[in-house]
Amino acid sequence: EAGVAQSPRYKIIEKRQSVAFWCNPISGHATLYWYQQILGQGPKLLIQFQNNGVVDDSQLPKDRFSAERLKGVDSTLKIQPAKLEDSAVYLCASSLGVLGQSHQPQHFGDGTRLSIL
Amino acid sequence: KQEVTQIPAALSVPEGENLVLNCSFTDSAIYNLQWFRQDPGKGLTSLLLIQSSQREQTSGRLNASLDKSSGRSTLYIAASQPGDSATYLCAVRAPLRVRFGAGTRLTVKP
Repeated sequence: EAGVAQSPRYKIIEKRQSVAFWCNPISGHATLYWYQQILGQGPKLLIQFQNNGVVDDSQLPKDRFSAERLKGVDSTLKIQPAKLEDSAVYLCASSLGVLGQSHQPQHFGDGTRLSIL
Repeated sequence: KQEVTQIPAALSVPEGENLVLNCSFTDSAIYNLQWFRQDPGKGLTSLLLIQSSQREQTSGRLNASLDKSSGRSTLYIAASQPGDSATYLCAVRAPLRVRFGAGTRLTVKP
């Protein structure tokens, strides 16, 4: 099966600019996750969708970050305006299960590496 | 605040050694715990997933255990190989939460 697709692979922008990332999960996967991974740290969950609804966005900096999954399939994550501390790899993951189906693993894309100048 | 801690942060071993990586967590009610490997510049590859009702899972040279009462999981790698060199991360899934540890960077020397 095709894996989780993310684009772009790399992005370099100046602070205060805007940027958007795209993710296409594995076909049929109901749950989609966006993570931020700063160098040397583990991934931090930003937002979790179940179909097109938000399950958890408690760690999403909502003043500058937004995400949507309008049709319950692919998703976009936007940062506006970007700050220097947003430099990180942004990972998208998907899993087959919905809430209550705890046995389904997460599958990750290769991520988008964002550098803020 | 729910925490996931991995010890050690880095580990270097000669080829052929058996080794253990540790993951501890504070969540008292978890759905499952998943172990991943991450190669430089890459996403995460799932290794093993242990459900909250299970005690261990095995895949090839890898064995993962889970002790919910003490909030600990271990990843055992038998007969390590240079190709095992990577960062190993554990992730705890609890109701409406997913938390990762910072990882253990493993180097296996030929």
